[in-house]
Amino acid sequence: GAGVSQTPSNKVTEKGKYVELRCDPISGHTALYWYRQSLGQGPEFLIYFQGTGAADDSGLPNDRFFAVRPEGSVSTLKIQRTERGDSAVYLCASSLGTGINQPQHFGDGTRLSIL
Amino acid sequence: AQSVTQPDIHITVSEGASLELRCNYSYGATPYLFWYVQSPGQGLQLLLKYFSGDTLVQGIKGFEAEFKRSQSSFNLRKPSVHWSDAAEYFCAVGHSGNTPLVFGKGTRLSVIA
Repeated sequence: GAGVSQTPSNKVTEKGKYVELRCDPISGHTALYWYRQSLGQGPEFLIYFQGTGAADDSGLPNDRFFAVRPEGSVSTLKIQRTERGDSAVYLCASSLGTGINQPQHFGDGTRLSIL
Repeated sequence: AQSVTQPDIHITVSEGASLELRCNYSYGATPYLFWYVQSPGQGLQLLLKYFSGDTLVQGIKGFEAEFKRSQSSFNLRKPSVHWSDAAEYFCAVGHSGNTPLVFGKGTRLSVIA
């Protein structure tokens, strides 16, 4: 079956531009997570959705970052006025529902490079 | 606050040799522990998880891990490493409820002939 799909796989843009990163979770998964992985680091939590609502956005670094999940399936992570420090791999994961017993399944990530 | 420490940044082992990757966590309650593997350019694949019960857990690809509460550790082991095991390995901790995972910085495994 299809796994978590992230598009684009790579994105190169200039400092100051706006970017959108898309995540298609596994069908039927109600929970969706965004993580950011900088070079040489482990993934760091950004935001988590349960259904359409953001259950926890405490990991978003500042107000340039925003994410939506309007229909409870596909999610878009939006970054305004990009900075070079935003360069990283952005990972999306989904799980069947709430609770730690449901493992998170990860996509291959979007590698974002800010020039 | 939760935290995970993977003391070894890079480990090299010979094919066929045994492997142990270390993971220590800091957590105020019963932790839920995970090991993920990441190949270059790929996402993370779950190897195994510990929630409760038997402290020795078996995972995919011949991996196992042992939870030791007294040492706050959850080390990953494999008795005989294959060249295809070369990858980055991440230990992670979470707790019941809706909290996302906290990851360590990872250990890169190289396998030599």
